[in-house]
Amino acid sequence: EPEVTQTPSHQVTQMGQEVILRCVPISNHLYFYWYRQILGQKVEFLVSFYNNEISEKSEIFDDQFSVERPDGSNFTLKIRSTKLEDSAMYFCASYFGTLGSGVYGYTFGSGTRLTVV
Amino acid sequence: AQTVTQSQPEMSVQEAETVTLSCTYDTSENNYYLFWYKQPPSRQMILVIRQEAYKQQNATENRFSVNFQKAAKSFSLKISDSQLGDTAMYFCAFMSNTGNQFYFGTGTSLTVIP
Repeated sequence: EPEVTQTPSHQVTQMGQEVILRCVPISNHLYFYWYRQILGQKVEFLVSFYNNEISEKSEIFDDQFSVERPDGSNFTLKIRSTKLEDSAMYFCASYFGTLGSGVYGYTFGSGTRLTVV
Repeated sequence: AQTVTQSQPEMSVQEAETVTLSCTYDTSENNYYLFWYKQPPSRQMILVIRQEAYKQQNATENRFSVNFQKAAKSFSLKISDSQLGDTAMYFCAFMSNTGNQFYFGTGTSLTVIP
C-alpha cells in the first residue's frame, strides 16, 4: 500500500533557527497538505498545495511558513525563525483528487515531531 | 465555517464490550464527507471509517460502525467487541465536497480496560 513518508520523525531546534520538514507524497497524488497538532490539541490545517502553488492556507500559516515542491517528489514545509509555540507534530498528507480513488484517496504521513527549545 | 464537536474528552470500556463515541458538526453544505481517525500513542493518523453525506446507509468496517443522522448533524462511532489495541485518541473529521481540507474535532481519548 502506498505511503506518505515524512522525515525526520523527530527534530529538535533552537528558537530562532530555520527548520525544514520533508515529505514524500504518494507519487500519483495531486494535492499536498500540511497539518499541525500541538500536544493535547486537535489537528489543524495549515496549507494545501496544488499545481505548484498554494491553493489554500489557514491563519496559522503566516509569513514565517513556506512550502515548496522543489523536485517533483519532495514536498517541504519551512519555518524561517522558529518560536517555542511552533513545537508540535506536523503531518503531511497527499490526495489524488477524488475521494473515490485508492484507499479513500487521502493519506497522512506518520508525522514529524518538532521541538523548539 | 465548518465546526466539529466531540463532547467526550475521555472514555473507557471493558475489553469485549461496546462503546459509542459522539460527534456533532455544523455546516450549511448538503454534500460532504465525515470521517473517524484513530491516533494511537505513535501519533500516526489512521483512517477508521468514512461516510458520504449523500448515502443514507450507515458505513461499517468490521467492528466499527457509524450512526449518521444528517438532520441532527450527528456522526457517532460504535466500536463493538473492544480490543486492547483500540486504545487511542479518536478524532471525528469533516470534509466539504467542494474543498479538500479536513476540519477535526478535539478528540476523544478511549481506553480499553482488560
